[in-house]
Amino acid sequence: QKEVEQDPGPLSVPEGAIVSLNCTYSNSAFQYFMWYRQYSRKGPELLMYTYSSGNKEDGRFTAQVDKSSKYISLFIRDSQPSDSATYLCSYYYGNNRLAFGKGNQVVVIP
Amino acid sequence: NAGVTQTPKFQVLKTGQSMTLQCAQDMNHNSMYWYRQDPGMGLRLIYYSASEGTTDKGEVPNGYNVSRLNKREFSLRLESAAPSQTSVYFCASSEVSLEEQYFGPGTRLTVT
Repeated sequence: QKEVEQDPGPLSVPEGAIVSLNCTYSNSAFQYFMWYRQYSRKGPELLMYTYSSGNKEDGRFTAQVDKSSKYISLFIRDSQPSDSATYLCSYYYGNNRLAFGKGNQVVVIP
Repeated sequence: NAGVTQTPKFQVLKTGQSMTLQCAQDMNHNSMYWYRQDPGMGLRLIYYSASEGTTDKGEVPNGYNVSRLNKREFSLRLESAAPSQTSVYFCASSEVSLEEQYFGPGTRLTVT
């Protein structure tokens, strides 16, 4: 099973706010998780990559995996208008394949 | 580097027509993928190719065929287009399966 469920959007926040995005996944055997960012009318690009449980930080972005609850989270601190995009959670489920969530559209209002 | 390129960028087809979407990557990646993206459905894998000479079905392969022409190129063919195939199609590539997938800019296809 490869389902990954992503919270419904869109999400509008004022500039400077913290953005919190979440996904749940179904198979506890999988350990590689990714967040992709997709700007309007562009292809997705990798934002964060995490393995197993715990947190990973990259500048204003933090990715968190909670394996006990099968939860993946992305936090964006001090959000900027340039963060306005759709964010896709994904995980690797074997045989060279990734499963993607449906995506969360985020709008950061100046 | 161009990365992953796709042609055409836009296409309108009538029901029953055929066409081939082209994809090429210049990163010497082994694996290549075709996805479709529909509103409310997310990205769904159509076909993938783990290496030159091999192809495998993904989640939604019906109505499509693929060809891994060489290491650089991976094409997607619609033999008889249907309105249900109206979508944005993305090609992607990766060096090895667990690493980042690099996506092309997409092809917006409308079937009337």
